Amino acid sequence: EVQLAQSGGGLVQPGGSLRLSCAASGFSVSSTYMFWVRQAPGKGLEWVSVMRAGGTIYYADFVKGRFTISTDNSKNTLYLQMGGLRPEDTAIYYCTRGRTAILTWFDPWGQGALVTVSS
Amino acid sequence: EIVMTQSPATLSVSPGERATLSCRASQGVGSNLAWYQQKPGQAPRLLFYGASTGATDIPARFSGAGSGTEFTLTISSLRSEDFAVYYCQQYDYWPLTFGQGTKVEIK
Repeated sequence: EVQLAQSGGGLVQPGGSLRLSCAASGFSVSSTYMFWVRQAPGKGLEWVSVMRAGGTIYYADFVKGRFTISTDNSKNTLYLQMGGLRPEDTAIYYCTRGRTAILTWFDPWGQGALVTVSS
Repeated sequence: EIVMTQSPATLSVSPGERATLSCRASQGVGSNLAWYQQKPGQAPRLLFYGASTGATDIPARFSGAGSGTEFTLTISSLRSEDFAVYYCQQYDYWPLTFGQGTKVEIK
């Protein structure tokens, strides 16, 4: 079964750092486009970052220079290293798999990790 | 950036009734449109891609239609488990963008 299991998240002070993990099963993270998508409390969905191992990496402007996406192919895991966190980064962060190329729909989704940035 | 506009924001429907949700793109996206269902406390779940191709195990009471700038998601006879927020997403242009969602609530 194709699944994504997330870990990480929590409460962090403004300016702090946090790492999210997303362990994949049933497929290889190195063979497809992997995304992070976030959802602020009571709000809609917005993409944060995308990568395909060995090639494409993009970031949304609002996280560029602060967040880093990566994979560990030996662990079949996707990561999002978040730094310089701001209160407006407070959201549930989902990892998800792109089903085609970079222009894609998403399936499946991880269960989400809540990141709260507050002093 | 393509702006996706969903209407209505909230749809109040009685169980057994039909619900029709709309999604409009600020410019044509062909059939490169997906729909997701999100229940409280859960991750989004893919319903349709290619505007009308159902994902795995999607009940037959759900249908997707449209192309270009106008799309609809129809639930023919609402069941209790269908009350949720529904999002559309275009994947014709970068960056990928979502609508703001339509909440389907019990009337």
